[in-house]
Amino acid sequence: AQTVTQSQPEMSVQEAETVTLSCTYDTSESNYYLFWYKQPPSRQMILVIRQEAYKQQNATENRFSVNFQKAAKSFSLKISDSQLGDTAMYFCAFEYTGTASKLTFGTGTRLQVTL
Amino acid sequence: DTGVSQDPRHKITKRGQNVTFRCDPISEHNRLYWYRQTLGQGPEFLTYFQNEAQLEKSRLLSDRFSAERPKGSFSTLEIQRTEQGDSAMYLCASSLTGGGYTFGSGTRLTVV
Repeated sequence: AQTVTQSQPEMSVQEAETVTLSCTYDTSESNYYLFWYKQPPSRQMILVIRQEAYKQQNATENRFSVNFQKAAKSFSLKISDSQLGDTAMYFCAFEYTGTASKLTFGTGTRLQVTL
Repeated sequence: DTGVSQDPRHKITKRGQNVTFRCDPISEHNRLYWYRQTLGQGPEFLTYFQNEAQLEKSRLLSDRFSAERPKGSFSTLEIQRTEQGDSAMYLCASSLTGGGYTFGSGTRLTVV
């Protein structure tokens, strides 16, 4: 079974600064995807960024980038130039690429962006 | 297509009553998932359909829970004889095989 661990329950960052959210996972699989999802207060879960395990290059999406360390089973999210709209719960998630795939989520990190 | 729709948004029910939630996925998506999310936690997998076939059920899904996806379109999740521990946000998501997931806004269930 896969497990996803987010060790930072809450983080705070000032507007325009950079923040890094941590995630580690445990799996015996070699082919999988990793995700960061954002869940704003009372709003739906949206995809921030996705990383294929077979790709060595770290995924980037505008102000969001990841540091994927496959051997260490680490997948951190860096948010640059933080904006007030980035305030949300952030969930790290794992998906095995087999036929019966599903997302396994971590417990989340609550990010507060302040003025 | 307006994304994944869930109905109702909120449901308050008395303990022991039955409730049913509905999810309308993105029309071309063949996979549909139900998750449960309690306050301060990440979503937990409940069950998953590929087209109309229910391919996997979590051990979290007790005998009081049942899900259907007739004709591979919308899905319903029914909880019988609700308990206070069933209070949670129930999330639905859909995807194409190998594609990304789109989540609905969820149904928040409160059992009093």
